[in-house]
Amino acid sequence: DVKVTQSSRYLVKRTGEKVFLECVQDMDHENMFWYRQDPGLGLRLIYFSYDVKMKEKGDIPEGYSVSREKKERFSLILESASTNQTSMYLCASSPQAGLAETQYFGPGTRLLVL
Amino acid sequence: EDQVTQSPEALRLQEGESSSLNCSYTVSGLRGLFWYRQDPGKGPEFLFTLYSAGEEKEKERLKATLTKKESFLHITAPKPEDSATYLCAVQTTSRLSFGAGTTVTVRA
Repeated sequence: DVKVTQSSRYLVKRTGEKVFLECVQDMDHENMFWYRQDPGLGLRLIYFSYDVKMKEKGDIPEGYSVSREKKERFSLILESASTNQTSMYLCASSPQAGLAETQYFGPGTRLLVL
Repeated sequence: EDQVTQSPEALRLQEGESSSLNCSYTVSGLRGLFWYRQDPGKGPEFLFTLYSAGEEKEKERLKATLTKKESFLHITAPKPEDSATYLCAVQTTSRLSFGAGTTVTVRA
């Protein structure tokens, strides 16, 4: 079975803090993704990566950055957390180059920014 | 702009009462349509992929169908454990676009 893990289930941070969210997948997938999920808005893509050290902006990249130093690990960074970044953050991975394959999701990190 | 719309937003069913969820889409270059199930506080769990109009997939009490403009997720004789939010996502050449989901509650 595909397993995608996220470093924290719940996080509470203060405005202006730098926040790191970690995601690890154990199936040697090429593609990894970061989404945020908000009520009524569905999942929105923040960033994605096709390969190590490669990243592409999604639909809402502002205020975020990412890092992929190893194939199995994809990190989301909030450079200076703001209250409007309070959300559920979901990491996903998929096995093929391009975006045509099923994405498998981690359990999510619920972030509260005070 | 790609659009994916799910209806209804919420659905309350009695155990055994069959129903359908709708996912309508306006996209260019459909490569696939995905259905996911999401339980509260958890990540989405993959259910089905449909690639072409006329295709159907089944898993236990769930059946997904696809036309050129929409997909249906049919729940036959639901049980309380089918309570969840069901997400539809459409794959185009550029990205995966999600609908807002339908929250299904099945009462015993």
